[in-house]
Amino acid sequence: DTEVTQTPKHLVMGMTNKKSLKCEQHMGHRAMYWYKQKAKKPPELMFVYSYEKLSINESVPSRFSPECPNSSLLNLHLHALQPEDSALYLCASTLHRGRGEQFFGPGTRLTVL
Amino acid sequence: AQKITQTQPGMFVQEKEAVTLDCTYDTSDQSYGLFWYKQPSSGEMIFLIYQGSYDEQNATEGRYSLNFQKARKSANLVISASQLGDSAMYFCAMRGRIQGAQKLVFGQGTRLTINP
Repeated sequence: DTEVTQTPKHLVMGMTNKKSLKCEQHMGHRAMYWYKQKAKKPPELMFVYSYEKLSINESVPSRFSPECPNSSLLNLHLHALQPEDSALYLCASTLHRGRGEQFFGPGTRLTVL
Repeated sequence: AQKITQTQPGMFVQEKEAVTLDCTYDTSDQSYGLFWYKQPSSGEMIFLIYQGSYDEQNATEGRYSLNFQKARKSANLVISASQLGDSAMYFCAMRGRIQGAQKLVFGQGTRLTINP
């Protein structure tokens, strides 16, 4: 199994809603990432988990809350988002060491109304 | 700090022609890795090709090859015999480290359009 899956594919939420994005990989990768991508821009790193521990938080607002329940699963909990948070959210994983290529999921297109 | 520069915001190429997408990089590391990713309009980032700084040969993967010129700090992607399905955004990236974790440093991307 060489893929990263993400659900849902699309999400529309209001500013008072609470929702979660889910990411799963079964490649034995021990580093997992959340990125935010706006149209026509490169992905921006949000969080990095290494061996299920949060190792990087790139000054992301607290309305985004990551969680790594086990080595295959990564969640991103969303609460009280703003319209400017509308974007494509990408999950990626990689072996903790080695070449460093990251394998990405298909992304979740989030719209905040 | 590492930096990737892609100077072509958009490129238009006729089907079946070869295309070169430019990428220059800056790093003070001796050991580094360079990547190219393709992002179709569907959104998924697809890993295409990797070049290590100590690799003596240019990397190739099918129709993709990486023209690595270390002294010029360039890592251009060459797509031979372009196809309509090659229309996408292409990102050049470099392996970096932040607080002990690996990360990717991306360029701004080049939007490639293949015309029939």
